[in-house]
Amino acid sequence: KAGVTQTPRYLIKTRGQQVTLSCSPISGHRSVSWYQQTPGQGLQFLFEYFSETQRNKGNFPGRFSGRQFSNSRSEMNVSTLELGDSALYLCASSLVGARNTEAFFGQGTRLTVV
Amino acid sequence: AQSVTQLGSHVSVSEGALVLLRCNYSSSVPPYLFWYVQYPNQGLQLLLKYTTGATLVKGINGFEAEFKKSETSFHLTKPSAHMSDAAEYFCAVSVSSGSARQLTFGSGTQLTVLP
Repeated sequence: KAGVTQTPRYLIKTRGQQVTLSCSPISGHRSVSWYQQTPGQGLQFLFEYFSETQRNKGNFPGRFSGRQFSNSRSEMNVSTLELGDSALYLCASSLVGARNTEAFFGQGTRLTVV
Repeated sequence: AQSVTQLGSHVSVSEGALVLLRCNYSSSVPPYLFWYVQYPNQGLQLLLKYTTGATLVKGINGFEAEFKKSETSFHLTKPSAHMSDAAEYFCAVSVSSGSARQLTFGSGTQLTVLP
């Protein structure tokens, strides 16, 4: 059974550009969450999607957005990139979005903004 | 609001020694708790989880954790460290907001295993 797949693994962008990251969840999983990991702030929740609907959003500016498709694949977009957006972006999928179900993480996309 | 605190950002143990990584939680509702491990340039791998029932939870790679409500703790242990255990470990609590779910993570503990 394939795990969570994130593409690309590495990305270098210039300040002011925008970027789109992709996440394919485990087959049958309908909940997809996104997290940002930085040395200074640690792991922070970005947003969660379930059945194409954003159900919750973390404390991030509107430059961060996402969507989920009917096949549960998800994308997140960051517009007008800033140096501080450099981070490892992790996607996690779970069977349903209940509190007691575990989340399975992808290997992440390492975004560097220069 | 739910939160977790990991005591000790760095822990060093000798190979074969006991591993103890500390996690304390704060939750206004019965917590669902998780331990994840992260190897360099990798995502997070679930070690174990506590939802309800038995308070001693066994996970993968010989790790276990005990949920202690009176101490609001969920410490991770392994009787004998192996070199391959060197990694960063994260404790997390599952937060519920309506029908959504998100994980709130601790700041992580970097485990070094000395030969």
